Amino acid sequence: GESVGLHLPTLSVQEGDNSIINCAYSNSASDYFIWYKQESGKGPQFIIDIRSNMDKRQGQRVTVLLNKTVKHLSLQIAATQPGDSAVYFCAEGFSGGYNKLIFGAGTRLAVHP
Amino acid sequence: SAVISQKPSRDICQRGTSLTIQCQVDSQVTMMFWYRQQPGQSLTLIATANQGSEATYESGFVIDKFPISRPNLTFSTLTVSNMSPEDSSIYLCSVGTQTGNTEAFFGQGTRLTVV
Repeated sequence: GESVGLHLPTLSVQEGDNSIINCAYSNSASDYFIWYKQESGKGPQFIIDIRSNMDKRQGQRVTVLLNKTVKHLSLQIAATQPGDSAVYFCAEGFSGGYNKLIFGAGTRLAVHP
Repeated sequence: SAVISQKPSRDICQRGTSLTIQCQVDSQVTMMFWYRQQPGQSLTLIATANQGSEATYESGFVIDKFPISRPNLTFSTLTVSNMSPEDSSIYLCSVGTQTGNTEAFFGQGTRLTVV
């Protein structure tokens, strides 16, 4: 069967390099943003979130940057590993929306040894 | 966190038939949602499953095509009615656990192929 992300833009990186995945969003009223990772045959898995009143948030090996001026979100993955290969989606959420999300287009990350 | 089980995990169905997908959560949750993920694409919200009342559908989705039930706080079903090949997608259940918590949890999805 067709895998997740077959027609999505692909970012190819070497193992150990840093990866930057970008996302443009449209709704200036979004209260928070989330990055999800989706591996083939699985549902999306939460990576990290950021509130709209922040411009940067760091997790383990990941950093999310938010630029509200240009409605742009990025996910930086440090020292990319083969296990990071997946499709990555950004999603917008709204306070009071109770976890109802609007997803961006997605990017497939391919990590090569 | 919440553990979500979807059944079936995949199915191949004849056009014109209907399929009901089940979503079971291991704890009571406030919100349950159904998403569609067409081949190679992102997720699109179909509807919010409301406990004890009719589901709230997003633009482009209607109850006659995608009837939803939510009899309690841990279970919901989505039916894909009168299927056509264009309905071939992954259907995903998602839950939100509490106000102020941004994380929405997803089931593993149901991969539907209509022939």
